[in-house]
Amino acid sequence: EDQVTQSPEALRLQEGESSSLNCSYTVSGLRGLFWYRQDPGKGPEFLFTLYSAGEEKEKERLKATLTKKESFLHITAPKPEDSATYLCAVSGGFKTIFGAGTRLFVKA
Amino acid sequence: ETGVTQTPRHLVMGMTNKKSLKCEQHLGHNAMYWYKQSAKKPLELMFVYNFKEQTENNSVPSRFSPECPNSSHLFLHLHTLQPEDSALYLCASSQEVAQETQYFGPGTRLLVL
Repeated sequence: EDQVTQSPEALRLQEGESSSLNCSYTVSGLRGLFWYRQDPGKGPEFLFTLYSAGEEKEKERLKATLTKKESFLHITAPKPEDSATYLCAVSGGFKTIFGAGTRLFVKA
Repeated sequence: ETGVTQTPRHLVMGMTNKKSLKCEQHLGHNAMYWYKQSAKKPLELMFVYNFKEQTENNSVPSRFSPECPNSSHLFLHLHTLQPEDSALYLCASSQEVAQETQYFGPGTRLLVL
C-alpha cells in the first residue's frame, strides 16, 4: 500500500539551530516527491519537486534531498519566520499522497 | 488575479443549509482538485477533474457535489452537512493529473453548526 510518513510530528528549534525533517515513503513507481510549506489558515505553498534518487534542491535556508526510500528537508540556521507546517507528498501511478506534516516552531 | 483563488474564505452554515464553494485557477492548468484538511490529519483528496471531466471520487458522501464547468473553474456544492464536515477545504490545480506539481488556493474554512 502506498504510504507517506513524516517525522517528527513537531519540532522546536532555537533561531540558528539547524535540523532536518524526514519524509519516508513507499509508492509504486515514484513519479515525483513534493515539499510544501503551510502557514496556519492558509493553503500549502509549493517549495520543491524531486524526481529521482540523488537529486537535491535548495532555496534560501532550505535544502531537499531524495533517496529511494525517503526525503529530507534540511533547514540551516532557521529564523522565526520559518515557523510553519511542512508537508511532503509523493506521486505514483496517478495518485498523489500527502503526509500529515511536521510542525516547525523556531524561537528567537 | 494570479494563481488559485477560492471564495468564500470563511463559511458558517447550519446542517440544513445549501452553500457552494468556488475555485478559480489562472495558471492555464488542465487538472483541478478538491481536498479536505482536518486538524492533525493528512490532506484528504476528495475529487479530481482532468480537462473538466471527473476522474476520481474518493468515496465522498453525496452531500458533497462537485461541478467543473471548464478547466479554470471548480465548485463544491454543499447540502445537509454534518458537524464533522467542518474543516479547511482546499482547491488545487496542476498542468496534468497527479504527477505534476499542484498549486493550492488559500482554502475555505467551513464550520457546520
